[in-house]
Amino acid sequence: DAKTTQPNSMESNEEEPVHLPCNHSTISGTDYIHWYRQLPSQGPEYVIHGLTSNVNNRMASLAIAEDRKSSTLILHRATLRDAAVYYCILTNSGYALNFGKGTSLLVTP
Amino acid sequence: NAGVMQNPRHLVRRRGQEARLRCSPMKGHSHVYWYRQLPEEGLKFMVYLQKENIIDESGMPKERFSAEFPKEGPSILRIQQVVRGDSAAYFCASSQLAGGSYNEQFFGPGTRLTVL
Repeated sequence: DAKTTQPNSMESNEEEPVHLPCNHSTISGTDYIHWYRQLPSQGPEYVIHGLTSNVNNRMASLAIAEDRKSSTLILHRATLRDAAVYYCILTNSGYALNFGKGTSLLVTP
Repeated sequence: NAGVMQNPRHLVRRRGQEARLRCSPMKGHSHVYWYRQLPEEGLKFMVYLQKENIIDESGMPKERFSAEFPKEGPSILRIQQVVRGDSAAYFCASSQLAGGSYNEQFFGPGTRLTVL
């Protein structure tokens, strides 16, 4: 699976939108883009996934660049409960998720 | 609907002992995945199982590690003759569907294995 690059950490104010970037310049045509998040001492939690088109769900939005070499996870209004490590993962198997270091999101009141 | 359950949550073993980690998938899920998270690293895929079958074990170390998902009961990840390098958090996930375009995996809380 192709490699992803994310910032180590980001900070946001509560109730502000947050844009978490992910670069994946070597993505292949069959790679899906998955986002998971992990709170301290817990298992990861699915956030959203996509292939080519932008996606929205109750948790977040996923904006995928036209060339698919990058994507952005958008949290529309950050809350304190959104403080977590966010992982951008590519996989063409559909199931073998290999997590990198992710982006640690700090949300301040 | 109970989530993915793992036990024990914490396990301490001495070098050379065996470790058995259990995972009960969510109700209605027949696909189970095991992951390992070494200290300061992200989770790495180990193995994917369906009932009574190993589908993909490409991420599992070739020696000392084995996994099963019997017809009845939980999935088991077994580590024989543990070494200090096996100390990690082991996560189990389950899904209703396999691969394809939608495969949300639901993760358990993990088992933290410490090898003395």
